[in-house]
Amino acid sequence: EAQVTQNPRYLITVTGKKLTVTCSQNMNHEYMSWYRQDPGLGLRQIYYSMNVEVTDKGDVPEGYKVSRKEKRNFPLILESPSPNQTSLYFCASMASGREEQFFGPGTRLTVL
Amino acid sequence: QKEVEQNSGPLSVPEGAIASLNCTYSDRGSQSFFWYRQYSGKSPELIMFIYSNGDKEDGRFTAQLNKASQYVSLLIRDSQPSDSATYLCAFRSGGYNKLIFGAGTRLAVHP
Repeated sequence: EAQVTQNPRYLITVTGKKLTVTCSQNMNHEYMSWYRQDPGLGLRQIYYSMNVEVTDKGDVPEGYKVSRKEKRNFPLILESPSPNQTSLYFCASMASGREEQFFGPGTRLTVL
Repeated sequence: QKEVEQNSGPLSVPEGAIASLNCTYSDRGSQSFFWYRQYSGKSPELIMFIYSNGDKEDGRFTAQLNKASQYVSLLIRDSQPSDSATYLCAFRSGGYNKLIFGAGTRLAVHP
């Protein structure tokens, strides 16, 4: 089944404890993105990647890191999480030349 | 800051009616516009995209774009309770994979 998977789906952590949210797609898509979704603010792009080893900042990159060492994987790293990073996070992928982004199921992160 | 403005709703329509969802955007240079649907607790899914001024129809859905007014809308004909969801408007800004989303309009279709 073609899909984007994210892990974990739910995470409660404490301020300053490094964490990684994994994202993997099995559709051989070139493009991948990370978004956060907050009430009243909609989806905001954190980082995006055009292909392996090619990444760029979105609108809200502060406090986040990403890497794209393999085409299928695009992990999101929070080196020192803070409470204002409590949010619902979505990973998405898209094929080159196409318009549809395929979203993962989301990761709900709470930082205490 | 490039933005998308949407009425948060809820927009309540009776079953069988036409639901009209509206969106304005700030980037005059944008060429690509999208409507995503998001059911409660689920991830967004693409409904339609539109590039050119005018209407684009797909089944019960019609997207309308007016670049001069920086306005895009989504019409849902014969609305069904299963259409009850949040509808997100988005435009492409800059890079191919760089999208700006609105906060969404919640649609409630009641029997």
